[in-house]
Amino acid sequence: DSGVTQTPKHLITATGQRVTLRCSPRSGDLSVYWYQQSLDQGLQFLIHYYNGEERAKGNILERFSAQQFPDLHSELNLSSLELGDSALYFCASSVPGGGYTFGSGTRLTVV
Amino acid sequence: GEDVEQSLFLSVREGDSSVINCTYTDSSSTYLYWYKQEPGAGLQLLTYIFSNMDMKQDQRLTVLLNKKDKHLSLRIADTQTGDSAIYFCAEIPGVSGGYNKLIFGAGTRLAVHP
Repeated sequence: DSGVTQTPKHLITATGQRVTLRCSPRSGDLSVYWYQQSLDQGLQFLIHYYNGEERAKGNILERFSAQQFPDLHSELNLSSLELGDSALYFCASSVPGGGYTFGSGTRLTVV
Repeated sequence: GEDVEQSLFLSVREGDSSVINCTYTDSSSTYLYWYKQEPGAGLQLLTYIFSNMDMKQDQRLTVLLNKKDKHLSLRIADTQTGDSAIYFCAEIPGVSGGYNKLIFGAGTRLAVHP
């Protein structure tokens, strides 16, 4: 158990819709990183939050947004969904001494 | 720039050693990682190495780092069928803006056969 919790595990939705993915980092960890894993793009860094503040943006589309709440959980909002947004979405938390531990991911299927 | 490259596929016989290779471009990388992903599962941190180390051993896993050639390898001794998975090499490039992010390779699919 990585200590990083993601919900839901699976999500199926139609094109044009909006979904929210949720992540709770390891207890006491202030950081949340979001990654997208797709067949054609591999693992792509999307965004990093630290203690409620956005710290870095990667290859995140304008249709996507995220936030981190005072209790440190984070939500990734994906809107105007397209077929190409189908992917595994992971969040990660830092590990003391180096490294990142990942949640089990949310598999999004857009139909 | 930030780029991590790996060969895409490796097939080995059960009991043999597996060697998965990775090259990276950022000479200021501070940490380098190996992750394992089994089918339908998340990413499991296997091991990592600091850039000032040449080698790290952890049970059946040996990581070798050649900083001059920017080459990282993962050796799995006595490979078992349970080692079949995708292995990702990842680096943290030189820190900028006060944050760290992992840059992943495309992953090497390891197939272990009897």
